[in-house]
Formats: sequence, structure tokens, C-alpha cells
Amino acid sequence: AQSVAQPEDQVNVAEGNPLTVKCTYSVSGNPYLFWYVQYPNRGLQFLLKYITGDNLVKGSYGFEAEFNKSQTSFHLKKPSALVSDSALYFCAGTQAGTALIFGKGTTLSVSS
Amino acid sequence: DTGVSQNPRHKITKRGQNVTFRCDPISEHNRLYWYRQTLGQGPEFLTYFQNEAQLEKSRLLSDRFSAERPKGSFSTLEIQRTEQGDSAMYLCASSPNRVYYGYTFGSGTRLTVV
Repeated sequence: AQSVAQPEDQVNVAEGNPLTVKCTYSVSGNPYLFWYVQYPNRGLQFLLKYITGDNLVKGSYGFEAEFNKSQTSFHLKKPSALVSDSALYFCAGTQAGTALIFGKGTTLSVSS
Repeated sequence: DTGVSQNPRHKITKRGQNVTFRCDPISEHNRLYWYRQTLGQGPEFLTYFQNEAQLEKSRLLSDRFSAERPKGSFSTLEIQRTEQGDSAMYLCASSPNRVYYGYTFGSGTRLTVV
């Protein structure tokens, strides 16, 4: 069965420091991988995706993610965190033709 | 058309009552998805439509749940004989025909069963 795991419930980082939110996947075939962000009482907003090609993908608000096939990982990164980045982040994956499967989410807290 | 619209935003109902939620997707999107999200969990897939055809249903979708998408436009999700365990955020999303475009989510309907 397909699955997506986010091993950290919470990540704390100081403003201006780099941040990493981890994601590993178990998807057969060639995976399509996504990151979404959710603010309180809001729907999920798309950040970035990996479909094929370059392993480093860039997305909205300065976020990027690195696809690593050997480690089956797709970690979300940002060089310099902002307080406004504090939110709930979801990794999701699928193979062609099936619905997205989401991880349980990681709460990012950026302190000033 | 600026996004996916869900109504109502909040619904409080008594146990045993039926409830219906509506989702209006982005007009040019063929696919429409329903997910359920509980506190501390990621969205769990319930079902999806391509145009008016319901192509996949999760095992989470018990017999009390039914979804429709008449004419391939808006969709409704009905829960019959609600239980307290049905309390959750119900999210709708839509996408073009290929999954690699990603989904656009609505703001969700929060259901509370008392």
C-alpha cells in the first residue's frame, strides 16, 4: 500500500535560520510528490511538486524540496525562515491515476 | 471563478440527523475529490469523481456516506444518521485531468456532531 510519512510532529526554528521539514514516501512506480501548507481554519495551499526532472524543485514563498529516490525522501527546505512561515505542512504522494495520499502533517513554529 | 467553494463552512448537528455538504469546483477541472481531516491528522481520502463518474471510494466511506456529482459540475456529500465520530473537517478539492497538476482545495466544512 502507498504511504507518506512525516516523522516529526513539530519543528521549531528561529527566524532567519534554515528550516527542514522531513517526508519519506512509499509509492510504487514513479511517484508524484507534493507539499501543501495549511493555516488555521483554512484549506490546504499548494507549495510545490515533484513530477520528473531536476531533483531540486522550487516553489512558492521561497520554499524548495529535494527528491531523493535512493532514500525515498522529499524534504521541504527554506534557507531563511520567517515568523509568517509558522503553519501546518503536509507532504503528499501518489502514482499516476490514484488519489493523493497525505502524511499526518508537521507543525512548523518559527520564533522571532 | 476564483477557486473551490464549499458550503456551509460550519455545521452543527445532533447525532442521528442527516447532513449534506456542497462543493463547487473550479469550472474547468474534470476531477473532484472529497477528503476528511480530523485533529492532528492529515487529510484522508474518501472518494473522487472524474466528470460525473465516481471512480474510487475509500474503505473509510461507510454505507452512511454517499456522494454525487450530477452533470459533472458541483458535488454533494451526504452523511446519514450522523455519529459523533463523524465530527471532522470535510475538504473538497478539484484538479484537471492529470494528477500531476496538483489539487486546489476549498476551505472545508467543519462538522460537529453533538
